[in-house]
Amino acid sequence: DQQVKQNSPSLSVQEGRISILNCDYTNSMFDYFLWYKKYPAEGPTFLISISSIKDKNEDGRFTVFLNKSAKHLSLHIVPSQPGDSAVYFCAASPNRQGAQKLVFGQGTRLTINP
Amino acid sequence: DADVTQTPRNRITKTGKRIMLECSQTKGHDRMYWYRQDPGLGLRLIYYSFDVKDINKGEISDGYSVSRQAQAKFSLSLESAIPNQTALYFCATSDRAARRETQYFGPGTRLLVL
Repeated sequence: DQQVKQNSPSLSVQEGRISILNCDYTNSMFDYFLWYKKYPAEGPTFLISISSIKDKNEDGRFTVFLNKSAKHLSLHIVPSQPGDSAVYFCAASPNRQGAQKLVFGQGTRLTINP
Repeated sequence: DADVTQTPRNRITKTGKRIMLECSQTKGHDRMYWYRQDPGLGLRLIYYSFDVKDINKGEISDGYSVSRQAQAKFSLSLESAIPNQTALYFCATSDRAARRETQYFGPGTRLLVL
Protein backbone atom coordinates (compact mmCIF):
# COMPACT_ATOMS: atom_id res chain seq x y z
CA ASP A 1 0.00 0.00 0.00
CA GLN A 2 1.80 3.08 -1.28
CA GLN A 3 0.77 5.96 0.99
CA VAL A 4 2.81 8.52 -0.96
CA LYS A 5 2.78 8.29 -4.73
CA GLN A 6 4.74 10.01 -7.44
CA ASN A 7 3.06 8.81 -10.60
CA SER A 8 5.59 10.21 -13.05
CA PRO A 9 8.84 8.19 -13.01
CA SER A 10 10.53 10.76 -15.23
CA LEU A 11 10.15 14.30 -16.52
CA SER A 12 12.11 16.18 -19.16
CA VAL A 13 12.08 20.00 -19.25
CA GLN A 14 13.85 22.64 -21.32
CA GLU A 15 16.35 24.83 -19.49
CA GLY A 16 14.74 28.08 -18.38
CA ARG A 17 11.22 26.65 -18.31
CA ILE A 18 9.17 25.63 -15.29
CA SER A 19 9.45 22.10 -13.88
CA ILE A 20 6.42 20.78 -12.02
CA LEU A 21 6.74 17.60 -10.00
CA ASN A 22 3.64 16.07 -8.47
CA CYS A 23 2.94 13.93 -5.44
CA ASP A 24 -0.26 12.41 -4.01
CA TYR A 25 -0.83 10.93 -0.58
CA THR A 26 -3.58 8.85 0.96
CA ASN A 27 -3.04 9.13 4.72
CA SER A 28 -4.90 12.12 6.17
CA MET A 29 -2.71 11.88 9.31
CA PHE A 30 0.26 13.30 7.41
CA ASP A 31 0.99 16.79 8.68
CA TYR A 32 4.36 17.74 7.23
CA PHE A 33 5.67 17.29 3.72
CA LEU A 34 9.14 17.50 2.27
CA TRP A 35 10.95 17.32 -1.03
CA TYR A 36 14.39 15.74 -1.28
CA LYS A 37 16.76 15.85 -4.22
CA LYS A 38 19.15 13.01 -5.00
CA TYR A 39 22.17 12.95 -7.28
CA PRO A 40 23.79 9.63 -8.33
CA ALA A 41 26.11 8.10 -5.71
CA GLU A 42 24.92 10.58 -3.07
CA GLY A 43 22.33 10.50 -0.34
CA PRO A 44 19.10 12.51 -0.63
CA THR A 45 19.42 16.17 0.39
CA PHE A 46 16.62 18.24 1.83
CA LEU A 47 15.18 20.80 -0.57
CA ILE A 48 12.02 22.37 0.82
CA SER A 49 9.16 21.52 3.17
CA ILE A 50 5.64 22.61 4.03
CA SER A 51 3.47 22.17 7.09
CA SER A 52 -0.19 21.25 6.70
CA ILE A 53 -1.23 24.63 8.12
CA LYS A 54 0.09 26.30 4.96
CA ASP A 55 -0.75 25.91 1.29
CA LYS A 56 2.42 27.37 -0.18
CA ASN A 57 6.08 27.70 0.74
CA GLU A 58 8.68 29.40 -1.41
CA ASP A 59 12.47 29.30 -1.30
CA GLY A 60 14.22 30.99 -4.19
CA ARG A 61 13.47 29.10 -7.40
CA PHE A 62 11.59 26.38 -5.52
CA THR A 63 7.95 26.55 -4.44
CA VAL A 64 5.90 23.79 -2.88
CA PHE A 65 2.11 23.86 -3.04
CA LEU A 66 -0.14 21.78 -0.81
CA ASN A 67 -3.79 21.01 -1.55
CA LYS A 68 -5.06 19.20 1.52
CA SER A 69 -8.53 18.52 0.21
CA ALA A 70 -7.07 16.77 -2.83
CA LYS A 71 -4.21 15.23 -0.81
CA HIS A 72 -1.83 16.55 -3.40
CA LEU A 73 1.39 18.51 -3.37
CA SER A 74 3.60 19.80 -6.10
CA LEU A 75 7.08 21.22 -6.44
CA HIS A 76 7.64 24.04 -8.93
CA ILE A 77 11.15 24.91 -10.09
CA VAL A 78 11.46 28.10 -12.08
CA PRO A 79 13.56 28.74 -14.02
CA SER A 80 14.90 25.20 -14.41
CA GLN A 81 18.67 24.83 -14.64
CA PRO A 82 20.88 21.93 -15.79
CA GLY A 83 22.04 21.39 -12.19
CA ASP A 84 18.46 20.61 -11.24
CA SER A 85 18.72 17.31 -13.10
CA ALA A 86 18.32 14.71 -10.33
CA VAL A 87 15.80 12.35 -8.78
CA TYR A 88 13.24 14.12 -6.61
CA PHE A 89 11.51 12.37 -3.74
CA CYS A 90 8.37 13.58 -2.05
CA ALA A 91 8.07 12.55 1.63
CA ALA A 92 5.45 12.88 4.35
CA SER A 93 5.52 12.81 8.14
CA PRO A 94 2.71 12.46 10.69
CA ASN A 95 4.38 15.08 12.85
CA ARG A 96 3.72 18.76 12.10
CA GLN A 97 6.90 19.74 13.92
CA GLY A 98 9.13 18.01 11.46
CA ALA A 99 10.53 15.01 9.71
CA GLN A 100 10.04 11.89 11.79
CA LYS A 101 9.22 8.46 10.37
CA LEU A 102 9.16 9.74 6.83
CA VAL A 103 7.15 7.93 4.16
CA PHE A 104 8.65 8.45 0.71
CA GLY A 105 7.26 8.39 -2.78
CA GLN A 106 8.91 6.40 -5.55
CA GLY A 107 10.80 9.36 -6.95
CA THR A 108 10.71 11.31 -10.22
CA ARG A 109 13.82 11.63 -12.38
CA LEU A 110 14.01 15.20 -13.69
CA THR A 111 16.18 15.94 -16.71
CA ILE A 112 16.81 19.53 -17.72
CA ASN A 113 17.77 19.84 -21.38
CA PRO A 114 20.04 22.70 -22.49
CA ASP B 1 34.44 15.90 6.29
CA ALA B 2 30.95 14.50 5.75
CA ASP B 3 28.52 14.89 8.65
CA VAL B 4 26.93 11.45 8.13
CA THR B 5 29.22 8.65 6.99
CA GLN B 6 28.43 5.09 6.04
CA THR B 7 30.77 2.12 5.76
CA PRO B 8 31.25 0.23 3.58
CA ARG B 9 30.09 2.16 0.51
CA ASN B 10 29.80 -1.03 -1.52
CA ARG B 11 29.52 -4.64 -0.43
CA ILE B 12 29.06 -7.96 -2.17
CA THR B 13 28.13 -10.91 -0.02
CA LYS B 14 26.68 -14.40 -0.35
CA THR B 15 23.32 -15.76 0.73
CA GLY B 16 23.35 -16.80 4.38
CA LYS B 17 26.22 -14.55 5.44
CA ARG B 18 25.90 -12.10 8.32
CA ILE B 19 26.90 -8.57 7.49
CA MET B 20 26.90 -5.24 9.26
CA LEU B 21 26.50 -1.77 7.80
CA GLU B 22 27.74 1.08 9.92
CA CYS B 23 26.69 4.69 10.25
CA SER B 24 28.44 7.49 12.11
CA GLN B 25 27.48 11.13 12.47
CA THR B 26 29.22 14.25 13.72
CA LYS B 27 26.10 16.42 13.67
CA GLY B 28 25.31 15.80 17.34
CA HIS B 29 21.79 14.68 16.45
CA ASP B 30 19.86 12.40 18.80
CA ARG B 31 17.72 10.62 16.21
CA MET B 32 18.98 8.12 13.64
CA TYR B 33 17.28 6.08 10.92
CA TRP B 34 17.98 3.27 8.45
CA TYR B 35 16.25 3.16 5.05
CA ARG B 36 16.54 0.99 1.98
CA GLN B 37 15.94 2.16 -1.56
CA ASP B 38 14.69 -0.16 -4.29
CA PRO B 39 13.95 0.84 -7.88
CA GLY B 40 10.34 1.99 -8.23
CA LEU B 41 9.70 1.88 -4.48
CA GLY B 42 11.43 4.94 -3.11
CA LEU B 43 13.00 4.80 0.35
CA ARG B 44 11.44 2.60 3.03
CA LEU B 45 12.13 2.85 6.76
CA ILE B 46 13.77 -0.22 8.33
CA TYR B 47 14.51 0.90 11.91
CA TYR B 48 14.79 4.14 13.81
CA SER B 49 16.21 5.28 17.14
CA PHE B 50 15.28 8.47 18.98
CA ASP B 51 18.11 8.12 21.51
CA VAL B 52 20.69 5.59 22.68
CA LYS B 53 18.20 3.48 24.65
CA ASP B 54 15.44 3.66 22.08
CA ILE B 55 15.03 1.26 19.12
CA ASN B 56 11.89 1.06 16.98
CA LYS B 57 10.84 -1.05 14.02
CA GLY B 58 9.99 0.66 10.81
CA GLU B 59 7.97 -0.45 7.84
CA ILE B 60 10.22 -3.35 6.75
CA SER B 61 12.24 -4.59 9.75
CA ASP B 62 12.01 -8.37 9.10
CA GLY B 63 15.43 -9.86 8.44
CA TYR B 64 17.25 -6.88 9.96
CA SER B 65 18.49 -5.85 13.39
CA VAL B 66 20.12 -2.67 14.66
CA SER B 67 22.39 -1.50 17.42
CA ARG B 68 22.75 2.04 18.74
CA GLN B 69 26.19 1.83 20.31
CA ALA B 70 26.43 5.54 21.07
CA GLN B 71 24.61 8.72 20.15
CA ALA B 72 26.82 9.04 17.08
CA LYS B 73 26.70 5.42 15.86
CA PHE B 74 23.85 3.29 14.50
CA SER B 75 24.58 -0.10 12.90
CA LEU B 76 22.34 -2.24 10.72
CA SER B 77 22.84 -6.00 10.61
CA LEU B 78 21.56 -8.60 8.20
CA GLU B 79 21.69 -11.79 10.24
CA SER B 80 21.44 -14.12 7.23
CA ALA B 81 21.52 -12.20 3.98
CA ILE B 82 19.17 -13.15 1.15
CA PRO B 83 19.14 -11.93 -2.48
CA ASN B 84 16.03 -9.76 -2.06
CA GLN B 85 17.99 -7.67 0.44
CA THR B 86 20.04 -6.41 -2.48
CA ALA B 87 19.41 -2.67 -2.35
CA LEU B 88 20.84 0.76 -1.61
CA TYR B 89 20.87 1.45 2.14
CA PHE B 90 20.80 4.92 3.65
CA CYS B 91 21.38 6.13 7.17
CA ALA B 92 19.84 9.44 8.25
CA THR B 93 19.88 11.67 11.33
CA SER B 94 17.65 14.39 12.72
CA ASP B 95 17.70 16.79 15.66
CA ARG B 96 14.70 16.74 17.97
CA ALA B 97 15.60 20.21 19.23
CA ALA B 98 15.51 21.81 15.77
CA ARG B 99 12.74 24.33 15.21
CA ARG B 100 11.75 22.39 12.13
CA GLU B 101 13.16 18.88 12.21
CA THR B 102 14.77 17.66 8.99
CA GLN B 103 16.48 14.39 8.19
CA TYR B 104 20.02 14.42 6.85
CA PHE B 105 21.20 11.43 4.84
CA GLY B 106 24.51 9.65 4.45
CA PRO B 107 25.90 8.76 1.00
CA GLY B 108 24.50 5.23 1.02
CA THR B 109 25.81 1.65 0.96
CA ARG B 110 25.19 -0.41 -2.15
CA LEU B 111 24.69 -4.05 -1.13
CA LEU B 112 24.58 -7.01 -3.49
CA VAL B 113 23.59 -10.41 -2.10
CA LEU B 114 24.46 -13.30 -4.42
